[in-house]
Amino acid sequence: GDSVTQMEGPVTLSEEAFLTINCTYTATGYPSLFWYVQYPGEGLQLLLKATKADDKGSNKGFEATYRKETTSFHLEKGSVQVSDSAVYFCALIGPSFQKLVFGTGTRLLVSP
Amino acid sequence: KAGVTQTPRYLIKTRGQQVTLSCSPISGHRSVSWYQQTPGQGLQFLFEYFSETQRNKGNFPGRFSGRQFSNSRSEMNVSTLELGDSALYLCASSSSPGAYTNYGYTFGSGTRLTVV
Repeated sequence: GDSVTQMEGPVTLSEEAFLTINCTYTATGYPSLFWYVQYPGEGLQLLLKATKADDKGSNKGFEATYRKETTSFHLEKGSVQVSDSAVYFCALIGPSFQKLVFGTGTRLLVSP
Repeated sequence: KAGVTQTPRYLIKTRGQQVTLSCSPISGHRSVSWYQQTPGQGLQFLFEYFSETQRNKGNFPGRFSGRQFSNSRSEMNVSTLELGDSALYLCASSSSPGAYTNYGYTFGSGTRLTVV
């Protein structure tokens, strides 16, 4: 079945550092890919998405590019802030619109 | 535009009891999905409703059930609660099952269920 693999956390960075959170997937056909963010005590917020190969999703300084050849959708940000501290989930949904399949989440901790 | 509203935010129940959680989707959204989030299992799909019909179901026992009303509001019910049912239950809405390609799914803040 479809699956998503994320790098283990926590990822600990200093403010203004460069962020990469790796995400790879296994899916039948061509899924749509998402990054969601969860702040403490809250639900999931859609951060960005890409629906076809080579698409680049971007939002609030975060970017991710849909790489079909490497089945990856790595999340990047050039300069993180303390307010970016949260748990980040990579997810996919297949072309038959069945369900969102999530990775295990990566906790990001940014210190001043 | 109001977001996805889940009630209640917190619940404490005793083993063996049953519980009903409510989700009001964004106005105009007709697709509602439910997910369970636990530290051990992560985020797992429970079921999806579209236009009052269950469209898809995850691998959960029959104690977990749901329904959707004509106004698109959805409820999920868990009967005979077990300690392992303690989790954050998240509801997500979309205008239609295929609309995620344009808008994604919008999640509510969740209901934190604790079973003691």
